[in-house]
Amino acid sequence: AQKVTQAQTEISVVEKEDVTLDCVYETRDTTYYLFWYKQPPSGELVFLIRRNSFDEQNEISGRYSWNFQKSTSSFNFTITASQVVDSAVYFCALSRPSGGYQKVTFGTGTKLQVIP
Amino acid sequence: KAGVTQTPRYLIKTRGQQVTLSCSPISGHRSVSWYQQTPGQGLQFLFEYFSETQRNKGNFPGRFSGRQFSNSRSEMNVSTLELGDSALYLCASSRVLGGGTDTQYFGPGTRLTVL
Repeated sequence: AQKVTQAQTEISVVEKEDVTLDCVYETRDTTYYLFWYKQPPSGELVFLIRRNSFDEQNEISGRYSWNFQKSTSSFNFTITASQVVDSAVYFCALSRPSGGYQKVTFGTGTKLQVIP
Repeated sequence: KAGVTQTPRYLIKTRGQQVTLSCSPISGHRSVSWYQQTPGQGLQFLFEYFSETQRNKGNFPGRFSGRQFSNSRSEMNVSTLELGDSALYLCASSRVLGGGTDTQYFGPGTRLTVL
């Protein structure tokens, strides 16, 4: 079975602080994909990043950066110099082949509140 | 390029009624997945359609069903509504089956309230 754990239920930071959202996953597969999505109050899940299991290179996109470590089964997400617009629920997800099809499992989400 | 659209955005129904939700995927996307999101259970996979066929199904009772049309638009139906069906229903589309080899893009969701 596959599992995604986001242990941080809610995080509050003051604007301009850096914040890291943790994601730990479990899977027996060697081929899998990891995702981060952002869900603002409007409800729509916004895709942020996809990483496959063979690519452990960290990525930076503007104020966002992702640290993928297979050794610890973690795929953490850091926001640098947080802004109020970053306030949302962030979901980590794992996708793996399953009987010829892909199966996606989402974590329970981390609610981030950025205080002005 | 237009995103995933879902209609209606909000619905209020009473127990025992049935409801149909609609999802139009991004142009060129042939895979459509449905998810239920509730505060208690989080995001749960309902089912996935590809080329008008259900290819993957989550652990939901038979009251939840769906279909996909030749233009890739999809509908989801819930019969004999229960209070516990109150949730945000999200639709996601991707170019290929399953979203594992391609990213799933989500619509704004339909918020269903069952009274």
